[in-house]
Amino acid sequence: SQQGEEDPQALSIQEGENATMNCSYKTSINNLQWYRQNSGRGLVHLILIRSNEREKHSGRLRVTLDTSKKSSSLLITASRAADTASYFCATDGWGAQKLVFGQGTRLTINP
Amino acid sequence: ETGVTQSPTHLIKTRGQQVTLRCSSQSGHNTVSWYQQALGQGPQFIFQYYREEENGRGNFPPRFSGLQFPNYSSELNVNALELDDSALYLCASSSAEDTQYFGPGTRLTVL
Repeated sequence: SQQGEEDPQALSIQEGENATMNCSYKTSINNLQWYRQNSGRGLVHLILIRSNEREKHSGRLRVTLDTSKKSSSLLITASRAADTASYFCATDGWGAQKLVFGQGTRLTINP
Repeated sequence: ETGVTQSPTHLIKTRGQQVTLRCSSQSGHNTVSWYQQALGQGPQFIFQYYREEENGRGNFPPRFSGLQFPNYSSELNVNALELDDSALYLCASSSAEDTQYFGPGTRLTVL
């Protein structure tokens, strides 16, 4: 079963605009991670945010975490065509290293 | 590149056959996790191996089995293949840290 749900399922924006994707989850977590996947290939790790953190930055990426609402958001600023991919959030619970993924957001950046 | 490799890249089998997929973990990582990703879905956790022992299993039948070797590489075996086993199979390696690093995947088609 899927733990997280990404919203929206698909997003299409113009190059240079910002893209925001949201993730909701159901149970208590140890941390939350965001991954990118290009055309059914392997997952690329983007960023990890721990349950005691509220915001984290990495380059053009900004992730927020609200454990009271069991939700997270991923913001990609100044989008580029190369950002076109599917983005997944994944959570793991305390004492378990297994990741539980949502169904992903398909992001398309139009030139 | 994550340093995690998988073989083969693609595989075509027929119903009832058996398949073995292989994964080499990133140097220094002692944990390997396997995931199944059906088309258009997020990855689903199959099982995890830590220091050659199974360390957690998802909701998959016993015909999905695995091994981890002393060098921490791993195999995923699937017996009595079914059409629904067609998917991208991903392995991920990790150490004591929480981040899991994924390989490029093996695309299995069952006819």
